[in-house]
Amino acid sequence: SQKIEQNSEALNIQEGKTATLTCNYTNYSPAYLQWYRQDPGRGPVFLLLIRENEKEKRKERLKVTFDTTLKQSLFHITASQPADSATYLCALQMDSNYQLIWGAGTKLIIKP
Amino acid sequence: DAGVIQSPRHEVTEMGQEVTLRCKPISGHDYLFWYRQTMMRGLELLIYFNNNVPIDDSGMPEDRFSAKMPNASFSTLKIQPSEPRDSAVYFCASSGGTEVTDTQYFGPGTRLTVL
Repeated sequence: SQKIEQNSEALNIQEGKTATLTCNYTNYSPAYLQWYRQDPGRGPVFLLLIRENEKEKRKERLKVTFDTTLKQSLFHITASQPADSATYLCALQMDSNYQLIWGAGTKLIIKP
Repeated sequence: DAGVIQSPRHEVTEMGQEVTLRCKPISGHDYLFWYRQTMMRGLELLIYFNNNVPIDDSGMPEDRFSAKMPNASFSTLKIQPSEPRDSAVYFCASSGGTEVTDTQYFGPGTRLTVL
């Protein structure tokens, strides 16, 4: 079965630096890969989606890459701010399937 | 729009009791998802509906769990009888489009504690 690995330890980054989070998966490549943000006591909030035929996607300070050879997606936040501190989840989605397979998430802490 | 609404926000109950969680999706959305989140297992899809019809309930852990969607604006997830291992945060999410890639909007969750 498909497994997803995200950094289990919290990632501490100095404000202003680029934060990079990793999402690795096993087995077959998904058709889509999504990234969500989750704050304490709240539900996940969608950030970005990247398709398997896309190498990179950007949205403001966010950038996602997708490498089907390495079976890995990287999520970057440039010019990080303390307000970016949250848990970031990646989710895999197979073609024509509404079911998302979720990673455990990585807690990001941006220090002022 | 108020977003996805869930109630109650917190529920504490004793083992063996019936628990009912409620969800109101975003108006106009025709997909509704129920998830469970724990530290050990992360976020798991339990069941999802399209136009009020259950499409995939393969994630429902046991017969003790049941979900209904009597109309487009309301869904319930029921656990009967509840057990301590059911303690988790339960999320409801809805999606409005016909594309599988359409964004899922999550509610604030119900934190369930079974003693």
